[in-house]
Amino acid sequence: NAGVTQTPKFQVLKTGQSMTLQCAQDMNHNSMYWYRQDPGMGLRLIYYSASEGTTDKGEVPNGYNVSRLNKREFSLRLESAAPSQTSVYFCASSEAQAGVQPQHFGDGTRLSIL
Amino acid sequence: EDKVVQSPLSLVVHEGDTVTLNCSYEVTNFRSLLWYKQEKKAPTFLFMLTSSGIEKKSGRLSSILDKKELFSILNITATQTGDSAVYLCAVGSGGATNKLIFGTGTLLAVQP
Repeated sequence: NAGVTQTPKFQVLKTGQSMTLQCAQDMNHNSMYWYRQDPGMGLRLIYYSASEGTTDKGEVPNGYNVSRLNKREFSLRLESAAPSQTSVYFCASSEAQAGVQPQHFGDGTRLSIL
Repeated sequence: EDKVVQSPLSLVVHEGDTVTLNCSYEVTNFRSLLWYKQEKKAPTFLFMLTSSGIEKKSGRLSSILDKKELFSILNITATQTGDSAVYLCAVGSGGATNKLIFGTGTLLAVQP
């Protein structure tokens, strides 16, 4: 029972490098989300996908792009990494598009930009 | 601006104590309030509350929502060291997009 799987778990990049974080869920959920978690800031929404084929910006989208590859997979890309993007990134999914349903989280990717 | 505020920021108790964690919110188009427990990795879902005054309970944990005063509490009775974690409160904002607005969390440390 995998739930939400994120890869990689850890990554160190140099400023200016690009990177794609992968996320897959096996719960047949419609909605998927990318968050970043920083000390004292809580979880902040970067992008979300309410359903396959749609993506929208969240609270902090600058410097990121996303792709909803299919119903299971939602990737997050950093085109030119900056030290301010050092963070822990969480992917989440939920069953419903409309209303509010619990979101289920992956174990996170710890990303350091030097 | 939508916001969720949790208190206290951190708390140290001894095993067997009872703790109360607080969450207040100002969110347009409120849909629900959720509690998560975060140990070292993924936040794990505890409760979702949508109606005032109805207590949700799971073992030693319980939670209640007051939509008039815009807050929720999470109670943990007979605390154990395994309860040590960050407890996150999130509020669901309306619309078809299922957005959650998170507080910064309460760090609970339970000492033997």
